[in-house]
Amino acid sequence: GPKVLQIPSHQIIDMGQMVTLNCDPVSNHLYFYWYKQILGQQMEFLVNFYNGKVMEKSKLFKDQFSVERPDGSYFTLKIQPTALEDSAVYFCASSLEGVSYEQYFGPGTRLTVL
Amino acid sequence: AQSVTQPDARVTVSEGASLQLRCKYSYSGTPYLFWYVQYPRQGLQLLLKYYSGDPVVQGVNGFEAEFIKSNSSFHLRKASVHWSDSAVYFCAVSAGNNNNAPRFGAGTKLSVKP
Repeated sequence: GPKVLQIPSHQIIDMGQMVTLNCDPVSNHLYFYWYKQILGQQMEFLVNFYNGKVMEKSKLFKDQFSVERPDGSYFTLKIQPTALEDSAVYFCASSLEGVSYEQYFGPGTRLTVL
Repeated sequence: AQSVTQPDARVTVSEGASLQLRCKYSYSGTPYLFWYVQYPRQGLQLLLKYYSGDPVVQGVNGFEAEFIKSNSSFHLRKASVHWSDSAVYFCAVSAGNNNNAPRFGAGTKLSVKP
């Protein structure tokens, strides 16, 4: 079936540096999401993105976070600067038409902030 | 915003036994409900979803779930589990509009003993 890819699978970075997590969503999907999962804990919603705009974001989506999808390429999550509490697995998802539809998830990027 | 509680972090059953994984949601309106499964090193995959109509919905691989509005529950069931069902199962709830992305529970890790 359709697949969402995430690059890289694992990223180690020093606190204060910038990191960009990349997501290659299903090709005809229109809605994009980022979720954050700290090991063994809840998968927390970060942001929902459509038509070049943030539709919804949670309180976890701090000012240091930003998302974009320039010209239909990767859907990216940028964190600048990173903090220790940003260490987690970040999951990207896409859906065809909105939040009522099935989400397709990538395998996640494990981010370690030292 | 909507939320989900999965009260059982871990469930262990013997192969061939029946299974119920519990999910309770919090949302004042009519919810859109989902169950996803996550295998190691993979993204979440949809098992089944409920929007309206028959409160018992059938999913893939013999899974089903029942929406009980009076109890705010959407428990997942399977009549006879197989060792390959060992995975983490997530329940999710959406408000059904594009400003409210699905929210996930903490997940239940299912272990099936041979």
